[in-house]
Amino acid sequence: AIQMTQSPSSLSASVGDRVTITCRASQGIRNDLSWYQQKPGKAPKLLIHAASSLQSGVPSRFSGSGSGTDFTLTISSLQPDDFATYYCLQDYNHPYTFGQGTKLEIK
Amino acid sequence: QVQLVQSGAEVKQPGASVRLSCKASGYTFSSYYMHWVRQAPGQGLEWMGIIRPSDGATTYAQKFQDRITMSRDTSTSTVYMELGSLRSEDTAVYYCVKGGSSGWDYWGQGTLVTVSS
Repeated sequence: AIQMTQSPSSLSASVGDRVTITCRASQGIRNDLSWYQQKPGKAPKLLIHAASSLQSGVPSRFSGSGSGTDFTLTISSLQPDDFATYYCLQDYNHPYTFGQGTKLEIK
Repeated sequence: QVQLVQSGAEVKQPGASVRLSCKASGYTFSSYYMHWVRQAPGQGLEWMGIIRPSDGATTYAQKFQDRITMSRDTSTSTVYMELGSLRSEDTAVYYCVKGGSSGWDYWGQGTLVTVSS
């Protein structure tokens, strides 16, 4: 199974900060990577698919990049609504696997 | 609008089975795969398997291979996930998720399954 190593596991930041979260795949996955935001007690929400395509309705401060094994999610200017847990997901092949998650907290 | 509506919370004893449902609406049911993902309390997300509603073909994560069954009813646009031989570690929120080439874009509200004697 492809392992997705996500870092950091937690992050403290302030409103207005630029934040980057990374995911590394244990083998190449082309651009078959997506990013999800999850708030407590809620289902995850798709932010980015195909590594860099912004899902409809998601603010443009979110962006994704990468291909192969290394991927990043960037939030250009943190807003209060962005404090949540973020997960990457590879759907290159079965079993599909998620990163361990990054909990983004208010500093 | 697309909706995935899941069945209600379940409490099961160890060794029992649970069958969850996920009713889809707002899109062509047969055209998109459906995934099942679970999340144990305070933990991350875990993919369990996938079903292709058009013909019922399934692929399961090896971890669950011997005790999971996914099925669908095209007449009601509903997918089902049955997990057997439940143990305490299966206590989790279970999500159905609409798949597609543009990401896993719609998630059900989740169903809490509690396994306890």
